[in-house]
Amino acid sequence: RKEVEQDPGPFNVPEGATVAFNCTYSNSASQSFFWYRQDCRKEPKLLMSVYSSGNEDGRFTAQLNRASQYISLLIRDSKLSDSATYLCVDYSSASKIIFGSGTRLSIRP
Amino acid sequence: DAGITQSPRYKITETGRQVTLMCHQTWSHSYMFWYRQDLGHGLRLIYYSAAADITDKGEVPDGYVVSRSKTENFPLTLESATRSQTSVYFCASSVLANEQFFGPGTRLTVL
Repeated sequence: RKEVEQDPGPFNVPEGATVAFNCTYSNSASQSFFWYRQDCRKEPKLLMSVYSSGNEDGRFTAQLNRASQYISLLIRDSKLSDSATYLCVDYSSASKIIFGSGTRLSIRP
Repeated sequence: DAGITQSPRYKITETGRQVTLMCHQTWSHSYMFWYRQDLGHGLRLIYYSAAADITDKGEVPDGYVVSRSKTENFPLTLESATRSQTSVYFCASSVLANEQFFGPGTRLTVL
């Protein structure tokens, strides 16, 4: 089993829709998680941190479910510009940073 | 300009040659990292550095060498390139190692 697993997608949704995807992790001791977005052939960019209590940044909501060992990302009122690959990250220390392979999201007009 | 830069952006080399990828950041971040990204694997940590003159291995360090004599620079050297090292290489920097900022990447092809 991979340490961090994501559905590769693609998720193909219409503009304005709400979309959510999950990321499961295997290390029950993991403490910190992040979501990055990566546009085609570009560098990953930090989207948001994932706190135990959940956090929201505009149209984006990230949540952590420790019991089931997954994190989620919810995007409301999706825009064409949200089309990208979303990477989840399990951060334990500087030497142990595990990236998921990413979930591709495509927003159609 | 402030930020994190990588050079070259594209590199083609031959098996057995030595190649050095450069990374430069202007934020004075303590931490710097090198990753490779391959289809189906996500980003994998090669080496990282917590400060000048302090470096340590990541998940996939074999075949790579790093140094960090100055805070702002973190070069990655492939001592004898192999075809399996064909990849996209990303450098990143961070204040505390967790939230990282990535450079634009170097696409390396080893023939």
